[in-house]
Amino acid sequence: AQSVTQLDSQVPVFEEAPVELRCNYSSSVSVYLFWYVQYPNQGLQLLLKYLSGSTLVESINGFEAEFNKSQTSFHLRKPSVHISDTAEYFCAVSRNGGSQGNLIFGKGTKLSVKP
Amino acid sequence: GAGVSQSPRYKVTKRGQDVTLRCDPISSHATLYWYQQALGQGPEFLTYFNYEAQPDKSGLPSDRFSAERPEGSISTLTIQRTEQRDSAMYRCASSPLVSSTDTQYFGPGTRLTVL
Repeated sequence: AQSVTQLDSQVPVFEEAPVELRCNYSSSVSVYLFWYVQYPNQGLQLLLKYLSGSTLVESINGFEAEFNKSQTSFHLRKPSVHISDTAEYFCAVSRNGGSQGNLIFGKGTKLSVKP
Repeated sequence: GAGVSQSPRYKVTKRGQDVTLRCDPISSHATLYWYQQALGQGPEFLTYFNYEAQPDKSGLPSDRFSAERPEGSISTLTIQRTEQRDSAMYRCASSPLVSSTDTQYFGPGTRLTVL
């Protein structure tokens, strides 16, 4: 079985400051890793994902996440946040090689960017 | 369609009533997922469809929950004899294939409140 832990339920940060949202996972099999974001009054949308290859993956809006197999982590970072990054962020895993694609989510981290 | 749509967006019902939630996925997508998200939690997998087939119902909490996708497109989730613990956001997602690497595209969700 797989599980995902997001250690921080809320992260307040000032605009233009760096941010890290932490995600750790537990699995007896190899997994794929995802970050989804939910902006206010919208559905979840994919931010980035790690499938294989380079352990550092980037999104189009400046976020990046690094897969660390030894620490079973997939932390999300951004060097300088904007007000528009205010949202809830969910880390998720799916089973590598599984016959279906259902995601296992963490509880989410609410990022609040203040001016 | 342009994206995944769900209806109704909000549903308030009384304990013991039946409710049916609807999901209209992206038209070319073979796979459709249902998730339940309680307040303060991440989404939890309920069931999924590959076209009209429903290979996995393991996440459905009880036999009061059922889902169907008779023509491989629109899906409904029905909860019979609702209970207060059924109050949650119900999320639908679709993806092109049954694959653990595919991006899932989420609808806006249906907020169900059982009084």
